[in-house]
Amino acid sequence: GDSVTQMEGPVTLSEEAFLTINCTYTATGYPSLFWYVQYPGEGLQLLLKATKADDKGSNKGFEATYRKETTSFHLEKGSVQVSDSAVYFCALSEWSGGSNYKLTFGKGTLLTVNP
Amino acid sequence: DVKVTQSSRYLVKRTGEKVFLECVQDMDHENMFWYRQDPGLGLRLIYFSYDVKMKEKGDIPEGYSVSREKKERFSLILESASTNQTSMYLCASSSGGSGNTIYFGEGSWLTVV
Repeated sequence: GDSVTQMEGPVTLSEEAFLTINCTYTATGYPSLFWYVQYPGEGLQLLLKATKADDKGSNKGFEATYRKETTSFHLEKGSVQVSDSAVYFCALSEWSGGSNYKLTFGKGTLLTVNP
Repeated sequence: DVKVTQSSRYLVKRTGEKVFLECVQDMDHENMFWYRQDPGLGLRLIYFSYDVKMKEKGDIPEGYSVSREKKERFSLILESASTNQTSMYLCASSSGGSGNTIYFGEGSWLTVV
């Protein structure tokens, strides 16, 4: 079945450091890929997404490129801020029959950014 | 602005109680989901629904049931709460299509004592 593997945390960085959170996936077809972010005490919200190979999703300075050849969707940001401290989830959505689409999540990576 | 509203943010229930977690979305979405979030385990799908009165089991349905009598409302039911059901519960909704965004509520923290 489908699966998502993302790097385990926690990840601790200083402000303005470069961020990479690795994500790889296993899927039988052509999934869409997502990064969600969860700030403390809140639900998840979409950070960015890509729906086909070689697409790049971007938002709030974060980027991720859908790499079909390496089945990866790594999240990057050039200069992190304290306000980026959160849990980041990689996810994929794939057709599961009829008009149904199933979303599969990674286990999440806790990022802490220190001033 | 899209909105998924979970009725209770924090609940404390006793072992054996019947627990209802309510979720309402205002986006006319066909799909609704209930997830459970636990440290180190990420999000795990409990049940989902692609239409009114329709439900499908997710990865961990044991000990739970759901109800979807109206398109905008999806309820999660713990028939007899147990301490191992202490967790954060997240409701979500989406329209059809693989690339469509899933929108989440803020979560319900349930403690079973």
